[in-house]
Amino acid sequence: DQQVKQNSPSLSVQEGRISILNCDYTNSMFDYFLWYKKYPAEGPTFLISISSIKDKNEDGRFTVFLNKSAKHLSLHIVPSQPGDSAVYFCAASAGSNYKLTFGKGTLLTVNP
Amino acid sequence: SQTIHQWPATLVQPVGSPLSLECTVEGTSNPNLYWYRQAAGRGLQLLFYSIGIGQISSEVPQNLSASRPQDRQFILSSKKLLLSDSGFYLCAWFGRGSYNEQFFGPGTRLTVL
Repeated sequence: DQQVKQNSPSLSVQEGRISILNCDYTNSMFDYFLWYKKYPAEGPTFLISISSIKDKNEDGRFTVFLNKSAKHLSLHIVPSQPGDSAVYFCAASAGSNYKLTFGKGTLLTVNP
Repeated sequence: SQTIHQWPATLVQPVGSPLSLECTVEGTSNPNLYWYRQAAGRGLQLLFYSIGIGQISSEVPQNLSASRPQDRQFILSSKKLLLSDSGFYLCAWFGRGSYNEQFFGPGTRLTVL
């Protein structure tokens, strides 16, 4: 039972354009959501997060949107850069158990 | 600042051999510690987590075990490796605060032949 789903295994965009990565979840107890970026053979690095009391959080070129009624969140990268090419993981947690449930990831390729 | 170390970086082991992967965290005390595995083409699967010395919770039944002998040390072990244990093993820590970000180590690539 996959509680966090990233239905697009890959995404390709041109440099300078917007990248939109999507994530859906099924567990209504999730109240905190995170995005991680991962390069091959490295550990994931934390990008941005959002609490369920918000619907948007912005950090530089990265913005995360949360639609609780649809149980959907998205990560927008504007403008996309070739260095953004990586696998992006969506993750969620519920309450104070500090455990993260991850999606399977989306491979983003930004073409020069 | 906090840092997390994992070793070895890569490991090739025969089926049936034992395993010991080590993770240590610096610059924090009493962190939550986690072991994840990323199998080929798969997401990150939580294997074990620990909220304190000697306290281990297992998330999935498997051929592996974990121990936390010291506050900032987390060890992943197996008595007899299986082919299916191959993967990329990641250790992560969480420091209690306002947010649930976990911070990951560099990982260990394990190949079981």
